[in-house]
Amino acid sequence: NAGVTQTPKFQVLKTGQSMTLQCAQDMNHNSMYWYRQDPGMGLRLIYYSASEGTTDKGEVPNGYNVSRLNKREFSLRLESAAPSQTSVYFCASNRGLGQIDTQYFGPGTRLTVL
Amino acid sequence: AQSVTQLDSHVSVSEGTPVLLRCNYSSSYSPSLFWYVQHPNKGLQLLLKYTSAATLVKGINGFEAEFKKSETSFHLTKPSAHMSDAAEYFCVVSETQTGANNLFFGTGTRLTVIP
Repeated sequence: NAGVTQTPKFQVLKTGQSMTLQCAQDMNHNSMYWYRQDPGMGLRLIYYSASEGTTDKGEVPNGYNVSRLNKREFSLRLESAAPSQTSVYFCASNRGLGQIDTQYFGPGTRLTVL
Repeated sequence: AQSVTQLDSHVSVSEGTPVLLRCNYSSSYSPSLFWYVQHPNKGLQLLLKYTSAATLVKGINGFEAEFKKSETSFHLTKPSAHMSDAAEYFCVVSETQTGANNLFFGTGTRLTVIP
């Protein structure tokens, strides 16, 4: 039982390049989330998927797209990377039982955009 | 609207002394509150959560937190700090009654433990 896994762990991009961050969970969770973490700002929600087949914007969605490929996988795509997207990205998942439900986090992807 | 304020960006304690990390929240509803810990270059791990049962919540590694509605606080404490407690701690409030829950994070408190 690996929990939440993310690939890659590290990535360096040039401005304007595109890439997809991958996330998978093996806990049979319904809901999945993408966050970014910037120094001194805690984590902020980019997009989430309440259940397979649905996605919704979070607090900071601009410049990103997501795909809930199936129940296990939730990917985050940067179509044209910008230096402002340099951050650490975390994927999370939970059962989707509302506000009492614990979210489980992956190890993160550290992205640098030059 | 939900929000969380962590009153100290950095706390430094000596090993074996008590730890107090302060958190105040703002919530329109009866909130669910969490404390997560992040060790350097690692993901986030749940320490404990409050979901309107007991107001004193016990978590892992000897940590506990008390929900005080009158003070809108959810401070994290531990009687005796250990070197392995050095990490970043996040107070988090959760909203949404059903389905996916949106988490609102504080800006974090970095705990340093001095040997």
